[in-house]
Amino acid sequence: SQKIEQNSEALNIQEGKTATLTCNYTNYSPAYLQWYRQDPGRGPVFLLLIRENEKEKRKERLKVTFDTTLKQSLFHITASQPADSATYLCALDLYSSASKIIFGSGTRLSIRP
Amino acid sequence: GAVVSQHPSRVICKSGTSVKIECRSLDFQATTMFWYRQFPKQSLMLMATSNEGSKATYEQGVEKDKFLINHASLTLSTLTVTSAHPEDSSFYICSARRTGSRGSNQPQHFGDGTRLSIL
Repeated sequence: SQKIEQNSEALNIQEGKTATLTCNYTNYSPAYLQWYRQDPGRGPVFLLLIRENEKEKRKERLKVTFDTTLKQSLFHITASQPADSATYLCALDLYSSASKIIFGSGTRLSIRP
Repeated sequence: GAVVSQHPSRVICKSGTSVKIECRSLDFQATTMFWYRQFPKQSLMLMATSNEGSKATYEQGVEKDKFLINHASLTLSTLTVTSAHPEDSSFYICSARRTGSRGSNQPQHFGDGTRLSIL
C-alpha cells in the first residue's frame, strides 16, 4: 500500500540545536517533494520544494534533502529558535496526478529556550 | 503575493443545517482549488479537487452529494456541507495553485481554515 510516514509525531529540542525531521514514503514516485509549516488553527504555509533530480535545497536556516533511492527526505532547521515551534508536514507532488499533493501526518516540533 | 482567503473561520450550528465555506484567491487566478479536511493531530486529507467551470473531482469515500463544490470563477470556490451532522465537525481547509502551474512545480497556497462544529 502507499504510505507517507513522518517518523516522529513530536520532537523536542534545545534552542540553538539543529532539528532534523524525517519523511519516508513507499509505493509512490513523486516528481517533487514539498515541506510546509502549520501553526495551530491555521492553514499550512509553504517552505521548500525539492525536485526528484535534486539532492539538496537550502533556504536561510532550512535545508532539505531528497533521496529517491531510499525514498526519504530530511528536513533540517539549523540554529533553531522557539519561534520555529510548529507542526511540519511533508507532501508528495505526484507526477502522475494532475495537480494534487499528498500530505504526511506531520511532526510537531517544540524548541525549548 | 499568493494570498488565499477562507471564510468563515468558525461556524457553530445545529444538526441538519447546511453550511457554505468560501475560498478566494486574492491576488492570483486559480484554475484549480483543493478542499481538505483535518482532524485533530492528523494530517490533511484531500476531499476533492475543484476545477473552474467544470465538475469537481472527489476522492474515494467522499460523498459528492454531501459536500457540494462550486468553482464559478478563477478566484472563488465554495464548499457546502449539506445537512450537516456532528460527525461532519472538523477543520476544513482550502488551497489554490496559480493558473498555468500544472507542471506540479508550484506550491499550494492555503487558506486559514474553517472550524466547523455541529451541535
